[in-house]
Amino acid sequence: AQTVTQSQPEMSVQEAETVTLSCTYDTSENNYYLFWYKQPPSRQMILVIRQEAYKQQNATENRFSVNFQKAAKSFSLKISDSQLGDTAMYFCAFMKRVGGSQGNLIFGKGTKLSVKP
Amino acid sequence: DSGVTQTPKHLITATGQRVTLRCSPRSGDLSVYWYQQSLDQGLQFLIQYYNGEERAKGNILERFSAQQFPDLHSELNLSSLELGDSALYFCASSVKGANTGELFFGEGSRLTVL
Repeated sequence: AQTVTQSQPEMSVQEAETVTLSCTYDTSENNYYLFWYKQPPSRQMILVIRQEAYKQQNATENRFSVNFQKAAKSFSLKISDSQLGDTAMYFCAFMKRVGGSQGNLIFGKGTKLSVKP
Repeated sequence: DSGVTQTPKHLITATGQRVTLRCSPRSGDLSVYWYQQSLDQGLQFLIQYYNGEERAKGNILERFSAQQFPDLHSELNLSSLELGDSALYFCASSVKGANTGELFFGEGSRLTVL
């Protein structure tokens, strides 16, 4: 069975600074996706960034980037130039690739990020 | 707006009762997933349907059941409710024919059992 661990229950960062959220996972699969989802107080789950395991290049989406270390089973999220709107719960998630269809997401417990003015 | 619609947004009921949560996936999405988010268990996968058929099952209690109808909407039925069933229940759908891994979540249904 796959597990996802987020070791930082809470973090804070000053506006405009950079913060890194940690995530490790355990799996025997070789073909999978990793995700970071954001859940603001509105509770909507929003996809931040996605990484395919077979791709060595780290994914980047504007101010968000990941450090994917497949051998170490580590998948951290870096937020640059933090903004007040980045305040949210951040969930790391794993999905096994299942042929031509989607598998299900396995989530970590989340990291509550507060961006301070 | 993800395009996934869940109703009701909030629901308060008593122990022992039964409720039905409804989900309409994005237009054309064949897969529907149900997740439960609670303070102690976090986000847990309950069940997945694909084009009307059960595809995968997670930590879903026997008191809970789900189905996906021919028009692709899905319902999650929760019966003999207990205090511990109080949670946020999310529905998600995924892109038809693609294997991108991306799920689109609804806003959730907040269930409170008193």
